[in-house]
Amino acid sequence: EDKVVQSPLSLVVHEGDTVTLNCSYEVTNFRSLLWYKQEKKAPTFLFMLTSSGIEKKSGRLSSILDKKELFSILNITATQTGDSAVYLCAVALLGNSGGSNYKLTFGKGTLLTVNP
Amino acid sequence: GAVVSQHPSWVICKSGTSVKIECRSLDFQATTMFWYRQFPKQSLMLMATSNEGSKATYEQGVEKDKFLINHASLTLSTLTVTSAHPEDSSFYICSARDSWWGQETQYFGPGTRLLVL
Repeated sequence: EDKVVQSPLSLVVHEGDTVTLNCSYEVTNFRSLLWYKQEKKAPTFLFMLTSSGIEKKSGRLSSILDKKELFSILNITATQTGDSAVYLCAVALLGNSGGSNYKLTFGKGTLLTVNP
Repeated sequence: GAVVSQHPSWVICKSGTSVKIECRSLDFQATTMFWYRQFPKQSLMLMATSNEGSKATYEQGVEKDKFLINHASLTLSTLTVTSAHPEDSSFYICSARDSWWGQETQYFGPGTRLLVL
């Protein structure tokens, strides 16, 4: 059974702190790993990672994938109250019929609370 | 990023009625769209994969006769919850698959909150 495990499940920090969110996976037919941020509505896309060791960066957020150890981290530096959200990690899998059948398997998310 | 819209954003209906939710990709063509359901404080659960012009593929445990999916064009997929019951109350989210240069990602619509009384 395909599994995506995120840790910690919840985290409370103060503004200005740096946080690291973890995502490990055990899946067959790995294609890519995606990070999403979910506030009160549907998830918004942050990063897609397909290659090991190449950091993706967007402002204060960055992420990297390790395909040998089967995990990814999402870093947020100088956190702000607006970063408070659930951060979802998802792994894109090829379905049994190959590239035409593709789906995401989500972890349970990490609830990040940034206090002023 | 790409834009996906969903309509309506909120639905309140009586038990036994059917509810139709639309999902549109606004600035790209999506050969594949996905329907998810999310209960409070839980992660997204994939219900079905919708391919344009063919029958949807449902995940185990999802009743295809209850959750009717139609993907008649490259920019529109619909989910109809037939004979809705209170246990169907949930947050329904669609996403659309965008492919470019061999890279793929999914962009999500804003979601539809369904409350069945």
